Amino acid sequence: DGGITQSPKYLFRKEGQNVTLSCEQNLNHDAMYWYRQDPGQGLRLIYYSQIVNDFQKGDIAEGYSVSREKKESFPLTVTSAQKNPTAFYLCASSMSSGGAYNEQFFGPGTRLTVL
Amino acid sequence: GQQVMQIPQYQHVQEGEDFTTYCNSSTTLSNIQWYKQRPGGHPVFLIQLVKSGEVKKQKRLTFQFGEAKKNSSLHITATQTTDVGTYFCAGRRHGQNFVFGPGTRLSVLP
Repeated sequence: DGGITQSPKYLFRKEGQNVTLSCEQNLNHDAMYWYRQDPGQGLRLIYYSQIVNDFQKGDIAEGYSVSREKKESFPLTVTSAQKNPTAFYLCASSMSSGGAYNEQFFGPGTRLTVL
Repeated sequence: GQQVMQIPQYQHVQEGEDFTTYCNSSTTLSNIQWYKQRPGGHPVFLIQLVKSGEVKKQKRLTFQFGEAKKNSSLHITATQTTDVGTYFCAGRRHGQNFVFGPGTRLSVLP
């Protein structure tokens, strides 16, 4: 069953703690993305990766870090430097980042609450 | 930087009425995508428009890309309760990533 998975669905952390969100895809997609969604603001790009072992900052990368050691996996770490980490985090993948095959497939999301 | 705006922010319609959401970019786009997010769900791809003036239809949904490739619209004919959700446009300049608009939240009253 092909798709993109994120875990956990809900995550609670204390302020000052780092937390890592998981994202896995078995679609054989080259490109992967992390977005943050806040009410009324749509989706904002945090980081993206076009190929294994390479990634670039998006529009709101401060306070976040990523790795892309495997094609299937693109974990996101929310560090204590992120000022307002409580949000809904969406991971997505696409066959490529440009051209015709850039339809993005989204995971179910992780809702992070920092207490 | 590139900005993508959508209006209206919210729309409440009676079932059977039509609905239109508009997407406007501050810059010329190479292509534009539309996504739908059901309440509590994740965005799902609907369509991509590439050509100036392009019009595409999916059953009751009609998508249009403006002649100047700076705006787009999504029109739903005779809305149903299954159309409830937030509709996002995402615009892309050549060589850049997609930028999502803030979305239009549609409510359909039975």
